[in-house]
Amino acid sequence: TQLLEQSPQFLSIQEGENLTVYCNSSSVFSSLQWYRQEPGEGPVLLVTVVTGGEVKKLKRLTFQFGDARKDSSLHITAAQPGDTGLYLCAGAHSSNTGKLIFGQGTTLQVKP
Amino acid sequence: KAGVTQTPRYLIKTRGQQVTLSCSPISGHRSVSWYQQTPGQGLQFLFEYFSETQRNKGNFPGRFSGRQFSNSRSEMNVSTLELGDSALYLCASSVTGRVAEAFFGQGTRLTVV
Repeated sequence: TQLLEQSPQFLSIQEGENLTVYCNSSSVFSSLQWYRQEPGEGPVLLVTVVTGGEVKKLKRLTFQFGDARKDSSLHITAAQPGDTGLYLCAGAHSSNTGKLIFGQGTTLQVKP
Repeated sequence: KAGVTQTPRYLIKTRGQQVTLSCSPISGHRSVSWYQQTPGQGLQFLFEYFSETQRNKGNFPGRFSGRQFSNSRSEMNVSTLELGDSALYLCASSVTGRVAEAFFGQGTRLTVV
């Protein structure tokens, strides 16, 4: 079974704190995406990583793809209330075009 | 450039009925994928269409079906609705589907009563 285990499931922190979300699998992915979803809306793509060991930064968000392309992490520095939302990782296998395997998601609440 | 458009946004149906949901992809995108999102199971892949052909299918019963038209618009149909079909149904479009950089629509919230 191609599963993506995402942790933690819930995270409640104070404004200004740092946090890391993990996404792990026993399967190799050709690419891995991170999305953010607001209630009642569709996921919005934050970043795609495709190369093992790749690191991408988006303002205060840092994304890393594991060397073996089986895991990824999302690190947020100095979290702000506007970062509150559901964060989803999703992997794609080269043999499964158009199909994304999603993690269960991490619900992040940043309190002012 | 318009995004992915899903209609209707909200739908209430009775058990046993059938329902059709619509998805208009971003202009130039030929791949449309459908997902079901529930609190318990998260986002699960239903199927993907590319150039009017179903190219990939998830592990859902045959009550779930779809099609794609020549203008890349896609519809999904659920027959004999069950309470457990209540979910947010999302479609995503991409140019070819291969890179899986999907852009999602806002979804259709289906409630089965």
